[in-house]
Amino acid sequence: DTEVTQTPKHLVMGMTNKKSLKCEQHMGHRAMYWYKQKAKKPPELMFVYSYEKLSINESVPSRFSPECPNSSLLNLHLHALQPEDSALYLCASSQDGTETQYFGPGTRLLVL
Amino acid sequence: AQSVTQPDIHITVSEGASLELRCNYSYGATPYLFWYVQSPGQGLQLLLKYFSGDTLVQGIKGFEAEFKRSQSSFNLRKPSVHWSDAAEYFCAVGESGGYQKVTFGTGTKLQVIP
Repeated sequence: DTEVTQTPKHLVMGMTNKKSLKCEQHMGHRAMYWYKQKAKKPPELMFVYSYEKLSINESVPSRFSPECPNSSLLNLHLHALQPEDSALYLCASSQDGTETQYFGPGTRLLVL
Repeated sequence: AQSVTQPDIHITVSEGASLELRCNYSYGATPYLFWYVQSPGQGLQLLLKYFSGDTLVQGIKGFEAEFKRSQSSFNLRKPSVHWSDAAEYFCAVGESGGYQKVTFGTGTKLQVIP
């Protein structure tokens, strides 16, 4: 089973709202990733968690706050977003940092 | 820094025709190389990967890719395209030696005509 699940599939939020994106995998992977993908662009890495610790933050604004409560779950907390943050947010996981990344279906976020 | 170039933004092929999508990478050491496919509004699905060994790699859905170190290329091929292959294809390079960062190319959109 190489499934990564993400909820919700779609999210619409105002600039003053607080919301969270959720990602889950049950493959025993120890590295998890958040990517942002704008239309007609490749995914851009935002954060990497390795063994439940944040190991990479690609200079992402603080209005995005990742959290890894356990080895199977990864959250992305959103607060005071801007319309330009509207995008497809992809989660991925890998066995460890060296292995192939498996992607979830994404959450399509629209900020009004 | 590593980088990936996919020179073709958009490719149109007839159903049943052969396909080759080009990918060139820039990386100092031996790279990890990947091809992913993305249908509209969906996540990325891994087609195949190259870490080491045989330079001709077989993947899912009848795709294959060949690693050519002398040309810094990792082109994706399929002998006979199906209408369901229409999607965006991303080539990606990962740093070898245990690091997690993967860099994606800008993608090639494949259109299949009957």
